[in-house]
Amino acid sequence: GEEVAQTPKHLVRGEGQKAKLYCAPIKGHSYVFWYQQVLKNEFKFLISFQNENVFDETGMPKERFSAKCLPNSPCSLEIQATKLEDSAVYFCASSQYGSSGNTIYFGEGSWLTVV
Amino acid sequence: SQQGEEDPQALSIQEGENATMNCSYKTSINNLQWYRQNSGRGLVHLILIRSNEREKHSGRLRVTLDTSKKSSSLLITASRAADTASYFCATDRAFDMRFGAGTRLTVKP
Repeated sequence: GEEVAQTPKHLVRGEGQKAKLYCAPIKGHSYVFWYQQVLKNEFKFLISFQNENVFDETGMPKERFSAKCLPNSPCSLEIQATKLEDSAVYFCASSQYGSSGNTIYFGEGSWLTVV
Repeated sequence: SQQGEEDPQALSIQEGENATMNCSYKTSINNLQWYRQNSGRGLVHLILIRSNEREKHSGRLRVTLDTSKKSSSLLITASRAADTASYFCATDRAFDMRFGAGTRLTVKP
């Protein structure tokens, strides 16, 4: 598609439940990025993919967070056993050639509320 | 951390005035980009300036980059109420991009 599509737009989970978010990058884009934004503040980088391969996962809290980008499927970000502090907007972005020197295109975000 | 840090955190001006936002960073970069976020929406790319450039213009936007001071500024001239948004700088090196906490700009009609 012509835009980064994220689903769901809103998700409410009880503490300890699993949350799974999806992202369809722009068609033809090889790089996918996930960012977390808490309380409209800074965008925390989580993970990036080049096609289905993890490119950089230095921002991922690995204990409970995992992500995949499989061929012919939307990318996903999964949080096991959610905590209150996971409440945030999760943004997916994509780019054709990587982030350096290139524009990355953001989706509208998925609002996760953990209660 | 190589991520940009914007200053001020919040800025309120009258329509027609100019708005200047600053960004500082800590490590060497390849490029610096500015993005805008309307409330509750995703980031929209505004302008990219490369490390060997000192100034760049796009419409009412003017970006400067001083690599010796590790700082950049975004100037919006003749501001409009529709410019009300948060503005983020993003620094990138080779394979990643890091964002700061943003400047919240309010333009009063």
